[in-house]
Amino acid sequence: AQSVTQLDSHVSVSEGTPVLLRCNYSSSYSPSLFWYVQHPNKGLQLLLKYTSAATLVKGINGFEAEFKKSETSFHLTKPSAHMSDAAEYFCVVSDPGGFKTIFGAGTRLFVKA
Amino acid sequence: DSGVTQTPKHLITATGQRVTLRCSPRSGDLSVYWYQQSLDQGLQFLIQYYNGEERAKGNILERFSAQQFPDLHSELNLSSLELGDSALYFCASSPHPGQANTEAFFGQGTRLTVV
Repeated sequence: AQSVTQLDSHVSVSEGTPVLLRCNYSSSYSPSLFWYVQHPNKGLQLLLKYTSAATLVKGINGFEAEFKKSETSFHLTKPSAHMSDAAEYFCVVSDPGGFKTIFGAGTRLFVKA
Repeated sequence: DSGVTQTPKHLITATGQRVTLRCSPRSGDLSVYWYQQSLDQGLQFLIQYYNGEERAKGNILERFSAQQFPDLHSELNLSSLELGDSALYFCASSPHPGQANTEAFFGQGTRLTVV
């Protein structure tokens, strides 16, 4: 069985400060993990994905995530927040075959000027 | 622009009615996924089709059905609509039968309001 937990429903940061969005997963298999971003009134866009290659994954817009098997975590980080980063972020786990895909509840990121 | 087209963008209908949502996947993508996003349930996977056949089923109600046509476009049919069916319905597509190792490309969604 698989599950994904986003530990914060809301995160608020000031522009120029680091961003940390936390995600823990549970999987019987070696999972594929994704982070998607959803801006208001838009569809979801892939930020990055982990597929058992390098454990540190770099994505678009300066985001990166580190797969830590021992902690079953896949936290999303960015060194310096920008106003345009304000959006909702979803952590996603998929089984190796990709047939069962589970979305986390989402974390809404607020960026203050 | 993801290349996935959903129509209509907005739909308002009354309880008890039936609606059809349409999705055109990216050119060459064989998989189509349907998701429902509501305030109380979050983003939920409904159903997936691959090359015309149902591939995976999620939390899809019996009142809802979907199909994928030979030209690979897909339709999601929602019947006997209830107020709680009001949500944003997303379609996504990918080239492969599963989502492992590959991303899904999302459309902009159809916002359904049931009154």
